[in-house]
Amino acid sequence: DVKVTQSSRYLVKRTGEKVFLECVQDMDHENMFWYRQDPGLGLRLIYFSYDVKMKEKGDIPEGYSVSREKKERFSLILESASTNQTSMYLCASSAEVWASGSETQYFGPGTRLLVL
Amino acid sequence: GNSVTQMEGPVTLSEEAFLTINCTYTATGYPSPFWYVQYPGEGLQLLLKATKADDKGSNKGFEATYRKETTSFHLEKGSVQVSDSAVYFCALFSGTYKYIFGTGTRLKVLA
Repeated sequence: DVKVTQSSRYLVKRTGEKVFLECVQDMDHENMFWYRQDPGLGLRLIYFSYDVKMKEKGDIPEGYSVSREKKERFSLILESASTNQTSMYLCASSAEVWASGSETQYFGPGTRLLVL
Repeated sequence: GNSVTQMEGPVTLSEEAFLTINCTYTATGYPSPFWYVQYPGEGLQLLLKATKADDKGSNKGFEATYRKETTSFHLEKGSVQVSDSAVYFCALFSGTYKYIFGTGTRLKVLA
């Protein structure tokens, strides 16, 4: 059974703190993604990675960075958390682009982050 | 650029009622439409998809037909259950890595 896990379900942080959100997948997928989910806005892509140490900006990368040192792990970093980064963060993974079924993304349960 | 528009919720239905959630899109190229579902407290999971025009995707009693002429991919189910209560996302896969998601439609089914 495929699995994407996220390090925390709920987090409360203070403005200015550095925040790390961790995501691990056990499907040997090449591609990993970070989204944020906000009411009325759906899912918006923050960053994605198509290989170890490779990353691409998504639609809303400002205020975020990412790290992918190992294939199974993709970290989202909020360098200095702000209240407007209060949101639900979803990690996803998918197989390499030319693989059958590569378009299907597998999501983790999400991390609900509150920045005070 | 590509965009997805789906009907706003919440949608509240009684058990065994017929469900339609509308989804239309604008796109260049040959994107593939998808429906994802998010049950309470969980991440999104693939519900169904279509890969070419007039394809019908189906799963768990849900169906959607990819209508290229109307750029639509409406989700339907003939008889909803309480367990179908969730948020449904229409999405376009535009090739390589990127998805465009709709804003989601919350469905609440009452017993």
